[in-house]
Amino acid sequence: QKEVEQNSGPLSVPEGAIASLNCTYSDRGSQSFFWYRQYSGKSPELIMFIYSNGDKEDGRFTAQLNKASQYVSLLIRDSQPSDSATYLCAVKTGSSASKIIFGSGTRLSIRP
Amino acid sequence: EAQVTQNPRYLITVTGKKLTVTCSQNMNHEYMSWYRQDPGLGLRQIYYSMNVEVTDKGDVPEGYKVSRKEKRNFPLILESPSPNQTSLYFCASSYRTGNTIYFGEGSWLTVV
Repeated sequence: QKEVEQNSGPLSVPEGAIASLNCTYSDRGSQSFFWYRQYSGKSPELIMFIYSNGDKEDGRFTAQLNKASQYVSLLIRDSQPSDSATYLCAVKTGSSASKIIFGSGTRLSIRP
Repeated sequence: EAQVTQNPRYLITVTGKKLTVTCSQNMNHEYMSWYRQDPGLGLRQIYYSMNVEVTDKGDVPEGYKVSRKEKRNFPLILESPSPNQTSLYFCASSYRTGNTIYFGEGSWLTVV
């Protein structure tokens, strides 16, 4: 089992709809959770981070964390063509080494 | 402007010819790391450094070397490149381990 798992997609969503991206992780002691967006050929850029159970909203983006079920999700409201990218979930592990593990990413495509 | 700068951005080289990819950050970050990104495999960590003169292996260190003589610089060395090291490489830094990661623009490396 991978430490951080994401559906590779592509996930196709019509413009204006809600895109829902999911991520599961295996280390129950994981502490911090990050969502990065990566356009093709570009470097990842941070969208949001979340530490506590529940929802965290930032503009059109909402991160949701459920530590009991070991999943974190990202909702994108009012999806725009510019949201088309690969979204990487990253998890700070709970081990003493405390490193960040990246999922392999979900490719999102917003169709006009 | 806060940034992570890596060079070269694009390089085609031949098998066995030593090369160095430089990385520099201007944010006084303690933690620096190198990743490679390959289709379907996501970001895989090569080496990381928690501070000056402190480096450790990541998930895929074979064929690579690093050094951290100064806080701002973290070069990646390929002593004898092979075609399986053809990849997109990212240098990254963060204030501490497990904090938000800032990525360089990436270096496309092709080994023929």
